[in-house]
Formats: sequence, structure tokens, C-alpha cells
Amino acid sequence: AAGVIQSPRHLIKEKRETATLKCYPIPRHDTVYWYQQGPGQDPQFLISFYEKMQSDKGSIPDRFSAQQFSDYHSELNMSSLELGDSALYFCASSYQGENTEAFFGQGTRLTVV
Amino acid sequence: KQEVTQIPAALSVPEGENLVLNCSFTDSAIYNLQWFRQDPGKGLTSLLLIQSSQREQTSGRLNASLDKSSGRSTLYIAASQPGDSATYLCAVGPYKLSFGAGTTVTVRA
Repeated sequence: AAGVIQSPRHLIKEKRETATLKCYPIPRHDTVYWYQQGPGQDPQFLISFYEKMQSDKGSIPDRFSAQQFSDYHSELNMSSLELGDSALYFCASSYQGENTEAFFGQGTRLTVV
Repeated sequence: KQEVTQIPAALSVPEGENLVLNCSFTDSAIYNLQWFRQDPGKGLTSLLLIQSSQREQTSGRLNASLDKSSGRSTLYIAASQPGDSATYLCAVGPYKLSFGAGTTVTVRA
């Protein structure tokens, strides 16, 4: 079965650079979520999209932005990177409704040096 | 704001022993609860989803119960194996998930 695909799997950037993370949800899933997991921490919700519209926003820095495209893939853009942005970034997708299961991608490990 | 707590933070058991992992949440107005497994530096694998209207859910050696009124869920793993060693996280929804810090399980051969 198709899963959530994230790219790249690993990314190394320097401080003040920009990074773009991509997420391809499971086909027919209409909701995408982004999470950030710092070292030794639990995943923290960043932002979500339902049918290509932003549906909720968590503790996402103003330096970060995201969007969902017409083919439902999503991109998380991170600018002016800081050392503290080093983390595992997960994308998850689900199909409408309150009780549906969220499926997570393998994550993108971002290291800022 | 929903707060999710998992106890214990770490657990080490000999192979074959049953595992009991606890999850508690402060806001009982949840729609569902998911249990995930995470291997070091890896992604989150969904193990079980319990709807708010359900009391328990089973998959193979895994059984999860939900007591919404008391804000608790328990994940039971029967006859543990070394391959069960991982971090187990619970998360409550709907929509954006609020995660616990996880229980790191080590099953000794």
C-alpha cells in the first residue's frame, strides 16, 4: 500500500539558509499535517491543510511557511535557519473526518550547522 | 490545551513478559487516540487507532483500551520480543495530534 512520502530524507543546511521539505500524502487523503520533533522530544504540531486550504496552525515560527498544491502534495519552507531548527520533520496525512487514522511519513532530518 | 502524559518513561523487561504502557490526557473531549511505535531516528508507525466511542482495539499481540471519562488509555503487548524494543507514543485527536513524550521499551533476550 502507498504510504506518505517525504523528501529529502536528510538535509544539511547552514545558518541563515533556506530549506524546502516536500510531502506526498497517501492517494485520496485530503488532509496534510506537519510536525517537528526535536532531539528527545515528542512531535509538535506545526500546521495542517485540508483540501489545499490551511486548516490549523500550531507553534510554527514566522520564518516557516507551508502550502498544499493542486495535486495535494505539500511543501514546508523554512527560511533564516537557526541551529535550533535542527529536528526531524514529519508529514502525516489522513482522509477527512474526526476519527480517521493519521499516517506518518519517515520524516526529514534537518541539520543546521 | 490538551496535555498527554505517558508513564513510565522507560521500561526494561525480559523476553516473554507482557508489557503495560500507560497514557493519560487532561481533556476528555477527544475524538480518537492513536498508539505509535518509533524506532530511534525513524518515523512513526501507527499501531492502533481507538475511536472515542470504543473501549478497546486489538491487533495481533497488541491490545489498547480507552477510558475516556477518566482520561486514560493502556497499551498491552503480550509475550514481548526483542523486536518490540522501541519508543511507544500515544496521541489524541481530532485532527492535529497531541503527543505524549513516549515510553522507551527494551526487551532483553
